[in-house]
Amino acid sequence: GQNIDQPTEMTATEGAIVQINCTYQTSGFNGLFWYQQHAGEAPTFLSYNVLDGLEEKGRFSSFLSRSKGYSYLLLKELQMKDSASYLCAVRENTDKLIFGTGTRLQVFP
Amino acid sequence: GAVVSQHPSWVICKSGTSVKIECRSLDFQATTMFWYRQFPKQSLMLMATSNEGSKATYEQGVEKDKFLINHASLTLSTLTVTSAHPEDSSFYICSARKPGLTYEQYFGPGTRLTVT
Repeated sequence: GQNIDQPTEMTATEGAIVQINCTYQTSGFNGLFWYQQHAGEAPTFLSYNVLDGLEEKGRFSSFLSRSKGYSYLLLKELQMKDSASYLCAVRENTDKLIFGTGTRLQVFP
Repeated sequence: GAVVSQHPSWVICKSGTSVKIECRSLDFQATTMFWYRQFPKQSLMLMATSNEGSKATYEQGVEKDKFLINHASLTLSTLTVTSAHPEDSSFYICSARKPGLTYEQYFGPGTRLTVT
């Protein structure tokens, strides 16, 4: 079966670092995406990992371990505008994206 | 860039009527478009994959006769919710994939459907 798990909610303080974990069990794997979604809006692309290791892009980094079925999104120097839902999505052997449950992050001053 | 638009952004309809939602890729041709549904505080659930010029592929549990998908051109896909019921009220989001080696999907702004 397909299973993509993320924590439901997380809180953090402005300026801090937060790590959002994602574990997956899917029938196929051809890459993992992280998206940010503000309430009532469409998801926006953050990162894409297809090989093991860390991908860094500004304040955001994403890590993948295919052998462990594990990824995390690291957000540094948190800002209030980072309060949003963060969605982990696995691309299977086709174009299909299977989304995780999503993590709602709240950043407090 | 890669811009995907949806129309309408929100719609309210009466139970039993049909509603059509359009998804357009504005600055690229999309051979494949995807339709998702998102209930409040939940993640995106793939409903169907829409390929230009061929029949859509529906996910398990999605009624193809209720959710009609047409992908008549490389820049337009439509989703028609037929005989809508209150339980169909949801946020419908489309995405489009650029042809080539990139597998990123570009999402539209979504359509909020409320069935009364």
